[in-house]
Amino acid sequence: DAMVIQNPRYQVTQFGKPVTLSCSQTLNHNVMYWYQQKSSQAPKLLFHYYDKDFNNEADTPDNFQSRRPNTSFCFLDIRSPGLGDTAMYLCATSRVRWGRSNAEAFFGQGTRLTVV
Amino acid sequence: DQQVKQNSPSLSVQEGRISILNCDYTNSMFDYFLWYKKYPAEGPTFLISISSIKDKNEDGRFTVFLNKSAKHLSLHIVPSQPGDSAVYFCAARTRGPNDYKLSFGAGTTVTVRA
Repeated sequence: DAMVIQNPRYQVTQFGKPVTLSCSQTLNHNVMYWYQQKSSQAPKLLFHYYDKDFNNEADTPDNFQSRRPNTSFCFLDIRSPGLGDTAMYLCATSRVRWGRSNAEAFFGQGTRLTVV
Repeated sequence: DQQVKQNSPSLSVQEGRISILNCDYTNSMFDYFLWYKKYPAEGPTFLISISSIKDKNEDGRFTVFLNKSAKHLSLHIVPSQPGDSAVYFCAARTRGPNDYKLSFGAGTTVTVRA
């Protein structure tokens, strides 16, 4: 089945140690998103790729970076994780044409990151 | 600045009865609204949506109502089933060049009692 896959499902990292989360998709969607969700809060958009164009949200810390080497893969890099970065990280995709989208976003299962 | 608000963090309902989940928004530029369902340890999955040109959309047991003047939408689940126990997120999309970005509410946890 076509889907969005995130790896790993669970990640424990030390304070300050760089970590990379990965997302792959078989939907051939041109937009990929990274959301951060902390306990009992709304998912918060960190950034997204529209094709190869990177779009950062204004309030996303510089500590968070992303790479999209091809259509299928997208990575979230946290350069120096802090305790406050403990959260669920959700990858999502959607198909957008001519700047419009009529379709919902499809989510992966998420990576639960714990910074210790 | 939370533009999509789900003020009820939890809801408990008897199996077979109606579940009503509420969502309020502040941005008048939102033109498309979605509900997502999330089970523990899984990502959100799309449930139902509604365009701002409509006031109701129905899909089986799920109906979404939109009241634009009140900036309010609701999700009705009738009848509620044990498998409906999950977290439900309301989401909204803005009209315009960045209309593919979704803003989410904090979610409502629904528990269906047998």
